[in-house]
Amino acid sequence: DAGITQSPRYKITETGRQVTLMCHQTWSHSYMFWYRQDLGHGLRLIYYSAAADITDKGEVPDGYVVSRSKTENFPLTLESATRSQTSVYFCASMVGAGQPQHFGDGTRLSIL
Amino acid sequence: SQKIEQNSEALNIQEGKTATLTCNYTNYSPAYLQWYRQDPGRGPVFLLLISENEKEKRKERLKVTFDTTLKQSLFHITASQPADSATYLCVPTSGGYNKLIFGAGTRLAVHP
Repeated sequence: DAGITQSPRYKITETGRQVTLMCHQTWSHSYMFWYRQDLGHGLRLIYYSAAADITDKGEVPDGYVVSRSKTENFPLTLESATRSQTSVYFCASMVGAGQPQHFGDGTRLSIL
Repeated sequence: SQKIEQNSEALNIQEGKTATLTCNYTNYSPAYLQWYRQDPGRGPVFLLLISENEKEKRKERLKVTFDTTLKQSLFHITASQPADSATYLCVPTSGGYNKLIFGAGTRLAVHP
């Protein structure tokens, strides 16, 4: 089915470990985004990508790394996980500037 | 810095009544404004987009207004139903700006 999928849905890991969250979209949208959502906060942008091989920092990029070698995939890596990175992570895609974003159902990440 | 304010407390209404949610923003002039719905454990889903040239927009039981002088948008759900219970997110967006800034959202609970 067409859409945007995130994996895993749930992940528990320990501080200091590397974790990669996956995001895949089937629409060939140019733009892709990673957000985190914490209680009491709105969605906060971590990184975004305007096209394959083009990425840029958002509001809260520290501790995260992204890549986009293919249009449809936009993985997010926590290089050395910290407890403050415990959150729900959402991936989104957008066909073009000023258009609505389409979100995945999120990855709930707990770092012990 | 850019700021978005939505009712932080939950809005409780009776089924059949009209729900009105408020979004105020400061320190920027968005060219348009989007509203999203988010259910627990799910990603946000796009509902409506209104541009600065439109005062009002309707879609089925939904109505959005956009007052650029007051820097405010109102989101109305008429003939509300328990299925409308969710968190609603306001997203004012500057023209051509790809990085959306989300409000923290207002939780709506519609009681039978």
